[in-house]
Amino acid sequence: AQTVTQSQPEMSVQEAETVTLSCTYDTSENNYYLFWYKQPPSRQMILVIRQEAYKQQNATENRFSVNFQKAAKSFSLKISDSQLGDTAMYFCAFMGQNNFNKFYFGSGTKLNVKP
Amino acid sequence: KAGVTQTPRYLIKTRGQQVTLSCSPISGHRSVSWYQQTPGQGLQFLFEYFSETQRNKGNFPGRFSGRQFSNSRSEMNVSTLELGDSALYLCASSRGTGEKTGELFFGEGSRLTVL
Repeated sequence: AQTVTQSQPEMSVQEAETVTLSCTYDTSENNYYLFWYKQPPSRQMILVIRQEAYKQQNATENRFSVNFQKAAKSFSLKISDSQLGDTAMYFCAFMGQNNFNKFYFGSGTKLNVKP
Repeated sequence: KAGVTQTPRYLIKTRGQQVTLSCSPISGHRSVSWYQQTPGQGLQFLFEYFSETQRNKGNFPGRFSGRQFSNSRSEMNVSTLELGDSALYLCASSRGTGEKTGELFFGEGSRLTVL
C-alpha cells in the first residue's frame, strides 16, 4: 500500500519570504502522480501543483515549485514570496498511474503566513 | 462555470440512522470521487465513479455505498451510522482522462455529526 508522510504539522513564514514543505512517500510503483493540494480555512481544497513521476523536470506554477527526488521518494513544495492568502493546510498526495483518482493523502501541514 | 456542489452542507444524525449525501460535479466532468476527512484519520478515499461505474473503492465497510447517475451527479449513502462516521465528506470531480489526470475539483463538503 502507498503511504504519504508529511512530518511538519505546522509551519510559519513571514510575508514575502520563502518556505519549503516536506513530503515523503512510499510506493513500489514506477509510474505515478504527485500533487500538492491547498485547503484554506473553511474553503474548498484546490490543486496547487502536479508532478508526473516519469518527468524529470520539476513542476512550477508561478510562486510554487517542487523538488521531486524519485529515488529518495521525496516531493517538497517551495513557496516563494509568501502571501497572506497562502495561509492554509497543505496536503501532499499520491496517485498510481491507473488508480482512477484514488489518492493517498498525507496528514497535512498547516502553514501560517504572518504579516 | 459552476463548481462542485454538495448537499446538504451540515447535518446531524443519531446512531443507527442512515444518511444520503449528494454531489453535483462540474459540467462536463464524468468522474466523481468521495473522501472522508477526520482529524484522526485525515483524508481517506471512499470510492470513485466514472460514467455510472464504480472504478475504485477504498477500505471502508459495506455500510458505505455510492452511485452515479447518467448526468454524472453522485450520491453516497451511509447506513447504520456510528459515532465514528462523524466527518467532513468531500466530493471531487474531474474529467478523468487526459493531461489533466488527477486534477480534482473539490466541493465544500458535507459535515456529518453523529450523536
